[in-house]
Amino acid sequence: QVQLVESGGGVVQPGRSLSLSCAASGFTFSNYGMHWVRQAPGKGLEWVAVIFYDGSRNYYRDSVKGRFTISRDNSQNTLYLQMNSLRAEDTAVYYCARDIASLYFDLWGRGTLVTVSP
Amino acid sequence: EVVLTQSPGTLSFSPGERATLSCRASQSVSSSNLAWYQQKPGQAPRLLMYGASSRATGIPDRFSGSGSGTDFTLTISRLEPEDSAVYYCQNYVRSPLYTFGQGTKLEIK
Repeated sequence: QVQLVESGGGVVQPGRSLSLSCAASGFTFSNYGMHWVRQAPGKGLEWVAVIFYDGSRNYYRDSVKGRFTISRDNSQNTLYLQMNSLRAEDTAVYYCARDIASLYFDLWGRGTLVTVSP
Repeated sequence: EVVLTQSPGTLSFSPGERATLSCRASQSVSSSNLAWYQQKPGQAPRLLMYGASSRATGIPDRFSGSGSGTDFTLTISRLEPEDSAVYYCQNYVRSPLYTFGQGTKLEIK
């Protein structure tokens, strides 16, 4: 069925790195832009990054620019988020989400929890 | 940066009643860029409305959206216990490209 499944979360010390993956199935992954959206514990939703359907462009929120890298492998139907120089404020559930019309998110994964702690 | 402010923070209703949730933008935004999401505890968000007033696939007609400029509304009629969730509005802007409101928690008792 149509779904997104994130993986790679865990506990990491401040300053270290972590890589997240999002496996897509049930739809033509290469036709869609993809996003990462995060949610700190007990908080609201915060957009993190987007990558175009063909990987040609990507954009980030200011607080993660230069530290996070979004990428994709359309041959493997997989989205990635490489997170470097992690900070306590990066602690959150990270969701991958499918883009619609470069405006909305119409399909979400269940999320993977990243905890940045000494 | 466009800030979306949702009010009230929490709403409580009985089944069968109607709820009205508000989303106010700090500056005028295009209604085409405004969406609403529902998030139940422990679950991922689900797209409810897009373009301010269009229902996403599979969303019952008890849900409706309206508004323009800076004021947008999500209305849920004939409330059911399963409607208990946090509701977020979301907008596409130039930077940081996509923003969310802080959410309104809806309780159905």
